This record gives sequence, structure tokens and C-alpha cells, in this order.
Amino acid sequence: DTGVSQDPRHKITKRGQNVTFRCDPISEHNRLYWYRQTLGQGPEFLTYFQNEAQLEKSRLLSDRFSAERPKGSFSTLEIQRTEQGDSAMYLCASSPPSGSPADTQYFGPGTRLTVL
Amino acid sequence: SQQGEEDPQALSIQEGENATMNCSYKTSINNLQWYRQNSGRGLVHLILIRSNEREKHSGRLRVTLDTSKKSSSLLITASRAADTASYFCASGSRLTFGEGTQLTVNP
Repeated sequence: DTGVSQDPRHKITKRGQNVTFRCDPISEHNRLYWYRQTLGQGPEFLTYFQNEAQLEKSRLLSDRFSAERPKGSFSTLEIQRTEQGDSAMYLCASSPPSGSPADTQYFGPGTRLTVL
Repeated sequence: SQQGEEDPQALSIQEGENATMNCSYKTSINNLQWYRQNSGRGLVHLILIRSNEREKHSGRLRVTLDTSKKSSSLLITASRAADTASYFCASGSRLTFGEGTQLTVNP
């Protein structure tokens, strides 16, 4: 399967702990996105990479959140000092290099975070 | 604020019937996309319609776009139980989603 993969699929942590999620995009895709989705809501944009450069961050991305894509391939999303409000599904998506700024994004299965 | 707002929030139909979902958006768009999400899983892209298109078909899916009304509709014909999912419209390069329509197709 050459789709977007995310690891882990589920994470349960205690409040105050740090967590890190990984996303592996489709291999030829240079654009990578992170979204957060809470129950009953649509996904909300968090941040966007083109190759290794983080080009945009949402206001939702507090100082406790950091994302990296060091070699322009996989990406990590770290949440420090987790809070119960961080409980959500974290989705990663990727899209191919293209002249169009709004191409189809291909989503991974998500990482479901539960903060106790 | 969310760009796309889907209507209705929930829709329950019998297998074989058609399902229509609507989406309204607020700002100008280059294109609009529809995604499906099965319970607790990732999103699957269904169809993209560009701002200069009025209608697009893909299998049992038909999407319309009315840029003057800032609205789009998704029609699923001859629905199947496997179509049970949440459906979202989204626009922009940093996709902005609505809350979705939860479609239930009863066998």
C-alpha cells in the first residue's frame, strides 16, 4: 500500500506528558499537511509543509505544538505538556507537486489521541 | 470560522434511494472538493469541481457548483449501505471543512 501512513494509530497519555506522531506521505508528494479533528466536527488545518519548509501554521497551533519535516519526506507532530483538550484525531495529508495550489489531498488514517 | 457548511447535518435513507447533500461557503474559491469519512477513519477524496465548472460526474456521484450562490450539492444515486459515512465539502489549499453530513443508508 503506497498511501499516507500514520503512526501510532492510537495514543493514550496522561495530562502533562509529551507525545509525538509520525506521518509518512505518498513518496512523490512534496506537500504535507496536518489537521486536527474533534468528535462531530470537520478537520481543522494545523500546518503545512512544502518539502522541508513549514510554510504556514494555524493559530490553533499553540506553542506546545511543533511540527517538523527534516528531510522533506516524513513529518512529526509533537505536543508538549498535553492537556485534555488536545484529545482529538490528528490527520496527515499529502499532495503532489503541481501548478495548482488547491489540488486533491490524500489523507492518512489518523492518530487518535486520548489525554487522561 | 468554517468555510463550508453542509446541510443537512444528518440524513437517513433506504438502500437504493438517492441522497442529496448541500454545502455553502463564504469566500471565493478556485475549486471545491467533497470527501467521505467512515466512522473514526481518515478522509477519502471523492470529487473536485473547479470554479468554472457547473456540474461533474463520477460513477454514482454528481456534484454541482453555483458560484453565484456560493453553494454546491453532492448527489449519490442508488445508495448502498456501504455509502454510510460522513460527507464533507472543503475548499482552499489549506482545506477548510464544514461539520459534515452524516449519511446513514439502511439496508
